Amino acid sequence: DAGVIQSPRHEVTEMGQEVTLRCKPISGHNSLFWYRQTMMRGLELLIYFNNNVPIDDSGMPEDRFSAKMPNASFSTLKIQPSEPRDSAVYFCASSPLGGTEAFFGQGTRLTVV
Amino acid sequence: AQSVTQPDIHITVSEGASLELRCNYSYGATPYLFWYVQSPGQGLQLLLKYFSGDTLVQGIKGFEAEFKRSQSSFNLRKPSVHWSDAAEYFCAVAPNDYKLSFGAGTTVTVRA
Repeated sequence: DAGVIQSPRHEVTEMGQEVTLRCKPISGHNSLFWYRQTMMRGLELLIYFNNNVPIDDSGMPEDRFSAKMPNASFSTLKIQPSEPRDSAVYFCASSPLGGTEAFFGQGTRLTVV
Repeated sequence: AQSVTQPDIHITVSEGASLELRCNYSYGATPYLFWYVQSPGQGLQLLLKYFSGDTLVQGIKGFEAEFKRSQSSFNLRKPSVHWSDAAEYFCAVAPNDYKLSFGAGTTVTVRA
């Protein structure tokens, strides 16, 4: 298996633009997570899906952030409109056991200028 | 709420020397405990985990960790580090569900 695949690896966008981050989890995994990593706040869980259903979105910072999982093999995290403070590395992770063994993608480094 | 403390922000160790990274957690019960490693520009890779049973856990890349309930600690060790062990290491806890809480991380530098 190729592991968790995220795209793009790097994204630079202007403030106010819409940004969409993509994730393909490991086949057969039924849990998917989006994390954000910043120097100030470390690693934060944004949202957790189980069997394509959002279970916990309490970590989503505000309404500008939305996440979808239309099927078991694809998820998106969208920021609209983007702001400079959204600059971070966004990780997608998947798990076959509900979160106790998370496999991480390589991340998307987002820079909002 | 649970919390994870990694007291050391940065550790420098000589190649071939031993390494110990500290992790303390705060939680009412014994959570699931993990150590992850992040190499520059990469995602996180699971080194080892503890759920129950033997309190000394063996992981990949020659790492081990020991759970000490009385100290609420889960310290990571390696007897002899290699230059490739230079990375950032994260301790994490999950209180019997999905919600991993990560420590702030410890950056390890290996000098020749």
